[in-house]
Amino acid sequence: AQKITQTQPGMFVQEKEAVTLDCTYDTSDQSYGLFWYKQPSSGEMIFLIYQGSYDEQNATEGRYSLNFQKARKSANLVISASQLGDSAMYFCAMREGQSGSARQLTFGSGTQLTVLP
Amino acid sequence: DSGVTQTPKHLITATGQRVTLRCSPRSGDLSVYWYQQSLDQGLQFLIQYYNGEERAKGNILERFSAQQFPDLHSELNLSSLELGDSALYFCASSLGGTHGEKLFFGSGTQLSVL
Repeated sequence: AQKITQTQPGMFVQEKEAVTLDCTYDTSDQSYGLFWYKQPSSGEMIFLIYQGSYDEQNATEGRYSLNFQKARKSANLVISASQLGDSAMYFCAMREGQSGSARQLTFGSGTQLTVLP
Repeated sequence: DSGVTQTPKHLITATGQRVTLRCSPRSGDLSVYWYQQSLDQGLQFLIQYYNGEERAKGNILERFSAQQFPDLHSELNLSSLELGDSALYFCASSLGGTHGEKLFFGSGTQLSVL
């Protein structure tokens, strides 16, 4: 079974509008972390935002926020006021395991976001 | 700049050959991770080292091996290369001590097997 599912292969958004990128996950662990990374066409992977499974508040980092719904096992990324530079591939990722061990991240298949002028 | 250095940026080689990819983690980071990114498989975790010791293994082929040296840099060795090994290979690093820490990625090595 897929650990991380991103059902939107591609998304379009108008500049200055908000957009939500979907991510659902599957784990039986109580302690886990959820991450979003951005990969522009240049190829590098850029960290955007992190949400811990025990965090009660939704994470926010500037124009990025994470809509964390634990019961539904979803961790959607919301980008507000989209900019042309936001056009990129976006990956949702999860780290399972006990707190204190920095294990590897498992990535979803990604969503290609295109911001239209 | 993430602080993670990968060399070379591009590598073109032939089937059956052997190559070595190198990674220098961020200063102070003890964990190194290797990922393979291809169009059909996406981002696949290969292997993780923590302070010189293998910590976790993912979908790494037997033809591939890695190690982390005492100075914490890591090398990924790919041998008997096949066309399907063509991919972008990422190295990432983290401090290695806390559950919520993010991975810092290098810019990758683009491997083309002809």
